[in-house]
Amino acid sequence: AQSVTQLDSQVPVFEEAPVELRCNYSSSVSVYLFWYVQYPNQGLQLLLKYLSGSTLVKGINGFEAEFNKSQTSFHLRKPSVHISDTAEYFCAVSDQVNYGGSQGNLIFGKGTKLSVKP
Amino acid sequence: NAGVTQTPKFRVLKTGQSMTLLCAQDMNHEYMYWYRQDPGMGLRLIHYSVGEGTTAKGEVPDGYNVSRLKKQNFLLGLESAAPSQTSVYFCASTLEGSSKTQYFGPGTRLLVL
Repeated sequence: AQSVTQLDSQVPVFEEAPVELRCNYSSSVSVYLFWYVQYPNQGLQLLLKYLSGSTLVKGINGFEAEFNKSQTSFHLRKPSVHISDTAEYFCAVSDQVNYGGSQGNLIFGKGTKLSVKP
Repeated sequence: NAGVTQTPKFRVLKTGQSMTLLCAQDMNHEYMYWYRQDPGMGLRLIHYSVGEGTTAKGEVPDGYNVSRLKKQNFLLGLESAAPSQTSVYFCASTLEGSSKTQYFGPGTRLLVL
């Protein structure tokens, strides 16, 4: 079974500072990895995803993430945050193998609330 | 394209009442999902469907039923609501499984008294 651990439930940071949101996963098979963002009172929106190839993935709004297979991590980073980045961020994993149609089912972490202060 | 829409946006139920949440997508997606989101719990999969006429259980299916009679619609039913079902419900869809991005609706807030 897969699982996702987001190591920080809340991350406060000042505007224009760098930020890293940590995500670790466990799985017995190869996986795809995702980061989603949820702004207040909205649904989830894809930030970026890792499928294969380069381990450094760039997404929308200046975010990037690095897949580290040996450490089973997929940390999200942004070099300079804005007030508008205040949101909840979810890491998710999906296995690459189809178990009776379950391929593509996402397992989500519990989320990290990023709060950007002026 | 409207993407993924959910009806209603907000609902208050009394314990024991029933209701149906409607999810509709206009992207011709095969796969559809129902999640619930609770504080500090992330999103948990309730049921999913890999095509018209097919449904399957997710992580937390108890107390819910679903139907996918039309490709564009995925209904989530609560036959006898309980306070533990107070949550925010999200529907999502994707063209196919695996690496395809899931597109989420805006959510339905449900309060069961």
